[in-house]
Amino acid sequence: EDQVTQSPEALRLQEGESSSLNCSYTVSGLRGLFWYRQDPGKGPEFLFTLYSAGEEKEKERLKATLTKKESFLHITAPKPEDSATYLCAVGHPQAGTALIFGKGTTLSVSS
Amino acid sequence: GAVVSQHPSRVICKSGTSVKIECRSLDFQATTMFWYRQFPKQSLMLMATSNEGSKATYEQGVEKDKFLINHASLTLSTLTVTSAHPEDSSFYICSARDEGSEKLFFGSGTQLSVL
Repeated sequence: EDQVTQSPEALRLQEGESSSLNCSYTVSGLRGLFWYRQDPGKGPEFLFTLYSAGEEKEKERLKATLTKKESFLHITAPKPEDSATYLCAVGHPQAGTALIFGKGTTLSVSS
Repeated sequence: GAVVSQHPSRVICKSGTSVKIECRSLDFQATTMFWYRQFPKQSLMLMATSNEGSKATYEQGVEKDKFLINHASLTLSTLTVTSAHPEDSSFYICSARDEGSEKLFFGSGTQLSVL
């Protein structure tokens, strides 16, 4: 069974305190690993797509990396506005590009 | 960037009534749209895949007669929750695939509360 597991479930950081979020997956026929940001009461906002092990992508204070079994979202010197739930998802082979989501990591950054 | 518009953003209805949620791709055509459901602090659960001009494909355990999906054009898909009951209260989110960029974009979600 395809599964996506994110850890930790919640993370509290001080402004400027760098950290990483983990996403481990077991899926047959990976068609991309996706990172989204979700604010309360809103739909997910696309951040990154990674397709192959060793691939890395960056956007401002965020950097996503991918191995054969997991992905990391590194947050460097976070700011309070980075507070959100970060969702990891993998491509669902049977449903085309529909995604299987993890439960997310809720990040809180305090000043 | 590509935008997916979903509305209403919030709806409160009485038990037994039907509610329609619209999902539009504003600046791209989407032959495929997806409908998800999300409970508090839970992940998004795929409900169905909506294909323009054909019947939707429902995930196991999702009642197709209760959650009616129509994808009549390349920019619009609708989800109708028929005879809604309190257990249908949830956050519903649609997504659409931009064929040109192969990216998946999400609507802003609809919070349904059934009294």
